[in-house]
Amino acid sequence: DGGITQSPKYLFRKEGQNVTLSCEQNLNHDAMYWYRQDPGQGLRLIYYSQIVNDFQKGDIAEGYSVSREKKESFPLTVTSAQKNPTAFYLCASSMSLAGGLSYEQYFGPGTRLTVT
Amino acid sequence: AQSVTQLDSHVSVSEGTPVLLRCNYSSSYSPSLFWYVQHPNKGLQLLLKYTSAATLVKGINGFEAEFKKSETSFHLTKPSAHMSDAAEYFCVVSGGKLIFGQGTELSVKP
Repeated sequence: DGGITQSPKYLFRKEGQNVTLSCEQNLNHDAMYWYRQDPGQGLRLIYYSQIVNDFQKGDIAEGYSVSREKKESFPLTVTSAQKNPTAFYLCASSMSLAGGLSYEQYFGPGTRLTVT
Repeated sequence: AQSVTQLDSHVSVSEGTPVLLRCNYSSSYSPSLFWYVQHPNKGLQLLLKYTSAATLVKGINGFEAEFKKSETSFHLTKPSAHMSDAAEYFCVVSGGKLIFGQGTELSVKP
């Protein structure tokens, strides 16, 4: 089956700890994205990547970091510098972002992170 | 710059009655528009997309949307609601990156 997997589904961490969320896709998509979703709000873009070894900050990148060492994988690290990390995190992928105004994104099932 | 506004944060309908979820957009050029659905604690699923072909777009699960340039609208409709349609719906405009509306929660009463 082609698709996007995120693990784990639920994640609990203590304040001050870094945590890494996994995202893998087998759709052969070039572009990958991380979004944050808070209750009653739309999605906010954290980071995105158009190709391997390249990524750009989205609208709310502070306190987060990413890597793109493989086309299939785009892990997100929530660092201790993120003031309010508790949220639902969604990973997505699409065909190449370049000139791709019509390219829809395909989403993973999400990871719910709770930091106490 | 692109933007999108979903006019209702919550819509409630009875099962078997029509569904209308309203979306207005702003774009400096001909946009690509999408509707996504999200069930609780799930990822987003694409319902349908408009990419400057036919203005009436048919999607999955009986949903459709009509692109009206003169009104800058892209409202989502379904003739008859089903209980399984209860979810959050997002209108999205593509400006290179996707720009999401705030979402409309659809409730379906038996």
